[in-house]
Amino acid sequence: DTGVSQNPRHKITKRGQNVTFRCDPISEHNRLYWYRQTLGQGPEFLTYFQNEAQLEKSRLLSDRFSAERPKGSFSTLEIQRTEQGDSAMYLCASSLSDTQYFGPGTRLTVL
Amino acid sequence: AQTVTQSQPEMSVQEAETVTLSCTYDTSESDYYLFWYKQPPSRQMILVIRQEAYKQQNATENRFSVNFQKAAKSFSLKISDSQLGDAAMYFCALQGGSEKLVFGKGTKLTVNP
Repeated sequence: DTGVSQNPRHKITKRGQNVTFRCDPISEHNRLYWYRQTLGQGPEFLTYFQNEAQLEKSRLLSDRFSAERPKGSFSTLEIQRTEQGDSAMYLCASSLSDTQYFGPGTRLTVL
Repeated sequence: AQTVTQSQPEMSVQEAETVTLSCTYDTSESDYYLFWYKQPPSRQMILVIRQEAYKQQNATENRFSVNFQKAAKSFSLKISDSQLGDAAMYFCALQGGSEKLVFGKGTKLTVNP
């Protein structure tokens, strides 16, 4: 049983560039979540999918952020026109019921 | 709004001793779940233990147990026989009324040999 995987693990980009992250959930999990974690803080919820439907979005998810889960399996999170404040760890989690299992995260650094 | 408060930014314990990490929360939901997650340095978040609010019995998982006080909205984690591998950031989290988890700011646990 493989866990949640995320790619890339690290991303360094220049301000103004677009970046895309991928999350592959545990295979039978129908729910997928994105969180953002900055240094010294707990993760903050960004968005949630049940199958391919995006059911909840945080106010943190500005119009520069978009997430998709086209076939109800893997998900992508895109950040357009990155800003230095976007530097953070982006965590993905998946679940079948009430317990969420996390991936290793993608660390984004915006220069 | 739901909130989770961890009032201890850092804690330390001697190997083989017992330590308790504190967590308080606030929610208006009657049905919710509480979790403790562990995040070792540069490694991924791992579930330690979960508690359903409707269950009065405190959850236990091997050396890890919770003291769930629903009326006081308190959810502390006790680690018995601490091991070097227990060193990590510990996050308390609440899920209620929606699918999202609300996390506290974490407690950094150091285990001294």
